[in-house]
Amino acid sequence: QQPVQSPQAVILREGEDAVINCSSSKALYSVHWYRQKHGEAPVFLMILLKGGEQKGHEKISASFNEKKQQSSLYLTASQLSYSGTYFCGLLVNAGGTSYGKLTFGQGTILTVHP
Amino acid sequence: DAGITQSPRHKVTETGTPVTLRCHQTENHRYMYWYRQDPGHGLRLIHYSYGVKDTDKGEVSDGYSVSRSKTEDFLLTLESATSSQTSVYFCAIGSGTSGSYEQYFGPGTRLTVT
Repeated sequence: QQPVQSPQAVILREGEDAVINCSSSKALYSVHWYRQKHGEAPVFLMILLKGGEQKGHEKISASFNEKKQQSSLYLTASQLSYSGTYFCGLLVNAGGTSYGKLTFGQGTILTVHP
Repeated sequence: DAGITQSPRHKVTETGTPVTLRCHQTENHRYMYWYRQDPGHGLRLIHYSYGVKDTDKGEVSDGYSVSRSKTEDFLLTLESATSSQTSVYFCAIGSGTSGSYEQYFGPGTRLTVT
């Protein structure tokens, strides 16, 4: 079942903060966040694992509430380059048969204005 | 750069014709995935592969088949294209350890079926 992202769209001015949420009806092992700019491929931002471990590649933070099966992505002091569509991807099982398959949310469109 | 290329990048074809999309990777990753992306639906998994000649269906596999005869190549075939298969197709590889596979996407193929 597809995870639910909220809000569907956010409009900010440079320097403002935003929070994007992702929730699931299933127990999760890990949550992945991606950003996609118009006409381009999705780009990996970070992963949050059950147990608290995080791996990321940019100055963006996130949280993972295992009990509530929710994750939030925090974008602080937004820059113009943050504009794009943000997707969460969920990994339900961590075992060998999961094959790393992710189920993605429908996306949140973030627009940052000067 | 995860060394993923897709070909062709753009294709227009007629209803009823067969179409094959190619995904090529240079880094010997075991896991590979094909997604389609349509407005309002996010990324949906078509098929995936967990090794040479090891493939399985995703959530939207009807009308598609795949093959993986070499580690580096993962082919997606539309046996008889329909207008509902007009979409942007992304290939991805899974990189990491069990439970924390990060996915890296190719540049995408824009397919139009007339």
